[in-house]
Amino acid sequence: DIQMTQSPSSLSASVGDRVTITCRASQSISSYLNWYQQKPGKAPKLLIYAAASLQSGVPSRFSGSGSGTDFTLTINSLQPEDFATYYCQQSYNTPPWTFGQGTKVEIK
Amino acid sequence: QVQLQESGPGLVKPSGTLSLTCAVSGDSISSGNWWTWVRQPPGKGLEWIGEIFRTGSTNYNPSLKSRVTFSIDKSTNQFSLKLASVTAADTAIYYCARKVVIPSALDHWGQGILVTVSS
Repeated sequence: DIQMTQSPSSLSASVGDRVTITCRASQSISSYLNWYQQKPGKAPKLLIYAAASLQSGVPSRFSGSGSGTDFTLTINSLQPEDFATYYCQQSYNTPPWTFGQGTKVEIK
Repeated sequence: QVQLQESGPGLVKPSGTLSLTCAVSGDSISSGNWWTWVRQPPGKGLEWIGEIFRTGSTNYNPSLKSRVTFSIDKSTNQFSLKLASVTAADTAIYYCARKVVIPSALDHWGQGILVTVSS
């Protein structure tokens, strides 16, 4: 199975900050990488698919980059509603489609 | 719009079978999408359980494969999960979701249902 490792596990940031979360795959997954946002008590929500494509309706302050084994989710100008946990997920080649362990973004 | 809704018992006894159903609206279960189950133990991360296609073709997480069974009901536009021989470690919020083939992402999710394994 492909292992996905996110860093950091948690971070504290202020409204208006630029936040970067990284996700590393245990082998190359090309651009088969998705990012999800999960708020407390809610289901995850798809933010970014195929490493860098913004899902419809997601604010443009969210962006994704990377290919191969190293990926980044960036939130420009963090907003109050962005405080949540973020997960990466790989969808390369064959199942299982594994998730990273999550990164919790908290208010500083 | 596409909506998914999980249903089933919220409490299952140890060694019993966990059974959940996901009702889909706004899309046909016979479309070209995969129908997925994901779970999340309280306070922990997401675990992919598996997926089923309209043909009945399935992919399961190897860690659960010996205990899990998916089925699909085109007449009611629903799909289901059965997990046998449950233990406390199977206590989790269970989500159903739609996976679009291109770009292979979970674009719609149910609200989730908490299932507790306890006597």
